[in-house]
Amino acid sequence: DIQMTQSPSSLSASVGDRVTITCQASQDISNHLNWYQQKPGKAPNLLIYDASNLETGVPSRFSGSGSGTDFTFTISSLQPEDIATYYCQQYDNQYTFGQGTKLEIK
Amino acid sequence: QVQLQESGPGLVKPSQTLSLTCTVSGGSISGGAYYWSWIRQHPGKGLEWIGYIYYSGTTYYNPSLRSRVTISIGTSKRQFSLKMSSVTAADTAVYYCARQITMVRGVNVDYFDYWGQGTLVTVSS
Repeated sequence: DIQMTQSPSSLSASVGDRVTITCQASQDISNHLNWYQQKPGKAPNLLIYDASNLETGVPSRFSGSGSGTDFTFTISSLQPEDIATYYCQQYDNQYTFGQGTKLEIK
Repeated sequence: QVQLQESGPGLVKPSQTLSLTCTVSGGSISGGAYYWSWIRQHPGKGLEWIGYIYYSGTTYYNPSLRSRVTISIGTSKRQFSLKMSSVTAADTAVYYCARQITMVRGVNVDYFDYWGQGTLVTVSS
């Protein structure tokens, strides 16, 4: 099994801050990495696919980078509506998700 | 616009079989570069992929659940179903159905682009 480790598990930031979440795979997964946003009581919503491709309709303040085992997800300027839990997900071998990063407003 | 909707009992007794159906509207399960998946989320926890089915009937399951899970397509080709046998309290979760796309504009991808709203299944006597 490929394990996905996200950090931090939670973070608090102010509106306008730059926010970064990391995701580490237990083995090389190339760029087979997606990022999702989940708001309370809702299903996850795709933001980034293949590590760095922004899904259509997703604001450009969201971005992703990385390959191999180390990946980064960034919100360039945090907005109030970005409060959610964020998950990375690999699809190199089956499908596994990170444990999530809960983002709160300071 | 594709929409997915889960349905089924919200309460299942231990050792019994959990059965859920996902109804797809705004599109068909047949054809295309799509898989149709089930994913669950334990209360307050992360996400766990259960398995998927292709319109041809080909299935692929999470090895940790394979012995207890069956995913099938309905005769209408607008529904697919999940059966999980011998459930325990550890199977209490929100269950989501989702569409999985594997090709976009000729490029191989693999992500969940449409999800149902989720349904909570509690395993309890």
